[in-house]
Amino acid sequence: RKEVEQDPGPFNVPEGATVAFNCTYSNSASQSFFWYRQDCRKEPKLLMSVYSSGNEDGRFTAQLNRASQYISLLIRDSKLSDSATYLCVVNIPGLYSSASKIIFGSGTRLSIRP
Amino acid sequence: DAGITQSPRHKVTETGTPVTLRCHQTENHRYMYWYRQDPGHGLRLIHYSYGVKDTDKGEVSDGYSVSRSKTEDFLLTLESATSSQTSVYFCAIRGTGEETQYFGPGTRLLVL
Repeated sequence: RKEVEQDPGPFNVPEGATVAFNCTYSNSASQSFFWYRQDCRKEPKLLMSVYSSGNEDGRFTAQLNRASQYISLLIRDSKLSDSATYLCVVNIPGLYSSASKIIFGSGTRLSIRP
Repeated sequence: DAGITQSPRHKVTETGTPVTLRCHQTENHRYMYWYRQDPGHGLRLIHYSYGVKDTDKGEVSDGYSVSRSKTEDFLLTLESATSSQTSVYFCAIRGTGEETQYFGPGTRLLVL
């Protein structure tokens, strides 16, 4: 079983729709969680961190469910420019900072159509 | 954007030749990483560094070596390139006490 699993998609939704992705992680020691966005042929870029209480950044909302070990990303009023691959990232701390393990999911591809 | 560059950005090479990729940062960050990204596998860690001359292996380190003689530079060497090492290679940096990684623009490597 992969340590971080995402539905690869693609999700193909019309502009203005609301879309949600989930990501599950297997290690209960995971402590920090992030969503990255990766455009085609570009590097991943941090979209937002995910906090226990949930957090919102404009049209984007991230949630964490530690009991069920998943995080989610909700995009409201989707725009054409939201088309990208969204990577779920989990940080598993080690005894010291250099030993922490950062695991990337394979990504969920989102395509917004006009 | 984080000051991180990679060179070359594209390279075509032949099986059996050595290849060195360079990652350069201007952020003075302590941690540097090399990943490869392949369809269906996501980002996989090759090697990382936690200081000058301090490096360690990641999950897919076979056939790769690294060196870090200066804070700003992290080199990835493919000792003898194979077709299975055709991939996109990303370098990332992270500051002490931070959890976020920042990525370079990537190097597309094709091994024929």
